[in-house]
Amino acid sequence: QSALTQPPSASGSLGQSVTISCTGTSSDVGGYNYVSWYKQHPGKAPKVIIYEVNRRPSGVPDRFSGSRSGNTASLTVSGLQAEDEADYYCNSFAGSNNFVFGGGTKLTVL
Amino acid sequence: EVQLVQSGAEVKKPGESLKISCKDSGYTFTTSWIGWVRQMPGKGLEWMGIVYFGDSRTRYSPSFAGQVTISADKSINTAYLQWSSLKASDTAMYYCARLSAYSYYFDHWGQGTLVTVSS
Repeated sequence: QSALTQPPSASGSLGQSVTISCTGTSSDVGGYNYVSWYKQHPGKAPKVIIYEVNRRPSGVPDRFSGSRSGNTASLTVSGLQAEDEADYYCNSFAGSNNFVFGGGTKLTVL
Repeated sequence: EVQLVQSGAEVKKPGESLKISCKDSGYTFTTSWIGWVRQMPGKGLEWMGIVYFGDSRTRYSPSFAGQVTISADKSINTAYLQWSSLKASDTAMYYCARLSAYSYYFDHWGQGTLVTVSS
């Protein structure tokens, strides 16, 4: 069970859009509709921002969206704001209540 | 409202044992799955394993099986993560997180417990 692959860093200017990828296998990302994304500010606990590939919990701005193609899921942040600067992690269900995280992506807002 | 409250920071020596806790102060754990996640200093999140509160069933990540023990006591709404012999490489922040009752994602997280293992 290997970690999902994310780019270590991503960046975008205020107001622009950025997309973060998350690549797994047919045993996790590609095999279930249970990809979730978490945002983590330094020194804070993670918080879910996307679940079931593209669903947003109540209170999460619609600037955050998720998608998937094959074994790769993506998180898109539109209209970048300063408070979007954080670490982002993908997670996938991998069967039998097993889960796997991505390595994380540090998003910098320029 | 769901609120996961974890036990406080710990400083231990290599070889010592440790048990940290995660208590839900505002919800009935009975039908919940509680997961544990490790975050080593400056590193990413790693899923360690999960326990079902109703009957204490557990699932472990292959990376952590045999290295830690996850358990739960439903009478006091508390989940546990324990080590029998700590190593310096166990130094990390550990988070508990509740699995959504309706899907496979973690909808509520504890504040984290920092474990430092140093001689």
